[in-house]
This record gives sequence, C-alpha cells and structure tokens, in this order.
Amino acid sequence: KNQVEQSPQSLIILEGKNCTLQCNYTVSPFSNLRWYKQDTGRGPVSLTIMTFSENTKSNGRYTATLDADTKQSSLHITASQLSDSASYICVVIVNNAGNNRKLIWGLGTSLAVNP
Amino acid sequence: EPEVTQTPSHQVTQMGQEVILRCVPISNHLYFYWYRQILGQKVEFLVSFYNNEISEKSEIFDDQFSVERPDGSNFTLKIRSTKLEDSAMYFCASSLGQGVNTGELFFGEGSRLTVL
Repeated sequence: KNQVEQSPQSLIILEGKNCTLQCNYTVSPFSNLRWYKQDTGRGPVSLTIMTFSENTKSNGRYTATLDADTKQSSLHITASQLSDSASYICVVIVNNAGNNRKLIWGLGTSLAVNP
Repeated sequence: EPEVTQTPSHQVTQMGQEVILRCVPISNHLYFYWYRQILGQKVEFLVSFYNNEISEKSEIFDDQFSVERPDGSNFTLKIRSTKLEDSAMYFCASSLGQGVNTGELFFGEGSRLTVL
C-alpha cells in the first residue's frame, strides 16, 4: 500500500534554531517527492521537488534531502523565523501505467517557532 | 505572480442544501483539481479535470459531487445535498502539465465549508 509517514507529528523550537523534519515512504513506482508548506487555514505552497536522482536541494533556508534506497526524505530548516510556523507536508508522486499520476500525501509536521 | 483564486472563503450551510464552490485557476494551466482537508487530517484528493472532462476521481467524489468549467475561466465544485461530514476546507489547484517540472500544483487559499 502506498503510504507516506512523517515525523515528528509536531515540533516546537525557538526562533533562530535549526530543525529537521522526516518523511518515510513506501510508494511504487516513485516519480518525485515534494515538500509543501501550509500556513494555518491556507493552501499548501510548494517548497521543493526532488527527483529520483537528486540527493539534496536547497531553497533559501530550506534544504531537502532524498535517499531513494532507504525511501527517506528530510527537510532541514536553518535559522528558523517566526514565519516558519506552519505545517510541512511531504507528498510523493507515483506514476502508474498510462502516465496516471497519483499524489500520496503525508499528514504533515506541525512546526511552531517561538520567540 | 499568477495565482489560483477561490470563492467564497467561508460558507455556512444547512444539511441537505446545495453548495457551489468557485475557483479561477491560473490562466495557462491545463489541469485542474479539487482537494479537501478535514480539520487535523490529511489533504484528500477529490477529482482532476482536463480537456473539459473528469480525468480521475476518488472514492470520496460520489454522485453528490460534480465539477464544471462553465466558461473557460471558472472551475466549480458542486455538492448537491450537503452532509455534516462534508464540513472541511476545500482547495482548488491547477497545474500546467503532469510532468516532473510542469506538474507542480498551485493551490488556492481554500473555501471553508461548515455544514450545520
């Protein structure tokens, strides 16, 4: 069964600190993996996309990693800011036969950055 | 920057009433989607729409739901007879294509539906 599991479920950190969010998936056939940021009560916004051949990709203070062998991804946030408080969702895209694409959503990690 | 817009932002309705949620996707995008998110739960896929027809729908998208692109601009989700469990945030999304680079979903801000 295609599944995406994220940890921790929630996290509280102080402003300026770093943190790492984890995503484990059991998805086949894997196409790519995306991290989304979802502010409370708003739509998800894409942070980064990782393809099978990519190990790491940065977008400002966000750095995503992908280990396709262990089927794990992480999102590292550097020098956190209050505006980083949000839910971070890992989404794995499956490409089935006939180019039928499915998105498998994780539950998200709720991050709170406190002053 | 182009964005997906949704209306209304919040709708309260009585059980059994019909609801129409509206979306204006990004103008050059070809694929359109509706998702919903019940409070505290995962984002759930409802339906995808391409070339003026439904390309895929989930088990959630039963006969109570329908989608329409009436005028080449708007993309609507209709719930014919709302149930309490339809209370959720409904997100519209659009994408240019379905490839790795073209398949990025751009989401609207959502329409919160409360069924009493």
